[in-house]
Amino acid sequence: GDSVTQMEGPVTLSEEAFLTINCTYTATGYPSLFWYVQYPGEGLQLLLKATKADDKGSNKGFEATYRKETTSFHLEKGSVQVSDSAVYFCALSSGGYQKVTFGTGTKLQVIP
Amino acid sequence: DAGVTQSPTHLIKTRGQQVTLRCSPKSGHDTVSWYQQALGQGPQFIFQYYEEEERQRGNFPDRFSGHQFPNYSSELNVNALLLGDSALYLCASSSEQGYTGELFFGEGSRLTVL
Repeated sequence: GDSVTQMEGPVTLSEEAFLTINCTYTATGYPSLFWYVQYPGEGLQLLLKATKADDKGSNKGFEATYRKETTSFHLEKGSVQVSDSAVYFCALSSGGYQKVTFGTGTKLQVIP
Repeated sequence: DAGVTQSPTHLIKTRGQQVTLRCSPKSGHDTVSWYQQALGQGPQFIFQYYEEEERQRGNFPDRFSGHQFPNYSSELNVNALLLGDSALYLCASSSEQGYTGELFFGEGSRLTVL
């Protein structure tokens, strides 16, 4: 079945540091890939998505590229801010309908 | 425009009891999915409702059941509660016709089973 593996946290970075959170997936067919974010006290929300190979999703300075050859969708940001502190979930959707499979989440803490 | 709303936000039950959680989808959405998020884990898909029918189900026992009403709102019922059912239950809504891949989540109902 479908599965998502992402790097374990927590990840602690200083403000303005470079961020990478690794994500790899296993899926049948050609999944759509997502990064969702859960800020403290808030619901999950979509951060960015990519629907086909080589697509780059981007939002709020975050980027991720759909790499079919390595089945990866790593999240990057060039300069993190304290406000980026949250839990980040890599996810995929495949096979029709709207079921989304999530990774276990990576907690990011950015310190001033 | 109200987003996805869930109730109650917190509740405590004892083993063997039954619980009902409620969800109102975002305006214009007709599909509701339920997820269970254990502490420190990612959300796990329970099932999805569309046109008042369960059309897809994850790996959860029959103790977990649901319903969708004509106004698209939904309920999740869990019978014979176990300690392991303690989790955050998330409702997500989307539109069948205008699906872009994005699910809209509520803030969840946190269930504690003692």
